[in-house]
Amino acid sequence: KQEVTQIPAALSVPEGENLVLNCSFTDSAIYNLQWFRQDPGKGLTSLLLIQSSQREQTSGRLNASLDKSSGRSTLYIAASQPGDSATYLCAVWDTNAGKSTFGDGTTLTVKP
Amino acid sequence: DTGVSQDPRHKITKRGQNVTFRCDPISEHNRLYWYRQTLGQGPEFLTYFQNEAQLEKSRLLSDRFSAERPKGSFSTLEIQRTEQGDSAMYLCASSPRGMGNIQYFGAGTRLSVL
Repeated sequence: KQEVTQIPAALSVPEGENLVLNCSFTDSAIYNLQWFRQDPGKGLTSLLLIQSSQREQTSGRLNASLDKSSGRSTLYIAASQPGDSATYLCAVWDTNAGKSTFGDGTTLTVKP
Repeated sequence: DTGVSQDPRHKITKRGQNVTFRCDPISEHNRLYWYRQTLGQGPEFLTYFQNEAQLEKSRLLSDRFSAERPKGSFSTLEIQRTEQGDSAMYLCASSPRGMGNIQYFGAGTRLSVL
């Protein structure tokens, strides 16, 4: 059974700091990995999608990497801003199970 | 492109009642997914459709839950005989064909069972 873990559960940083969020998964038979952002009481906003054959994707200040063999992905946020405060979730599409499995997220607070 | 639309946004019901939620995917997206999310947890997969075919259904779903996607357009999720444990946010997502299964989510329906 696929399990996705995100550590830490919460993170607080001062504005301007570069930071890394971690996502690990137990079964490397994944089709893709997707990072999302969720604001309180809202739906999920897609940030980046990495296919299983890719190693990284970039969008603006965000960079996501994928290492399938070790079951890990990182989301790098450069020059953090208070508007980046949200919960960040990763999800893998499990090829064997034919479904998505999410982590429980990392709640990020960026202090002005 | 108006995004994934879910209705209603909030639903309060009494235990034992039936409720139905609707999801309208992004136009021409062939895949549609339903998830349930409780406070502090990541979304939990319930089921997904490719066009009108239901391809996968979580074992977590009891037979009180049913989902349909007639004609491969909008979808409905029905919960029969609701229980307090069904209180959660119900999220819908859709994916376009040939885009690597990227999922776009709606704002969700928050269900409160009293």
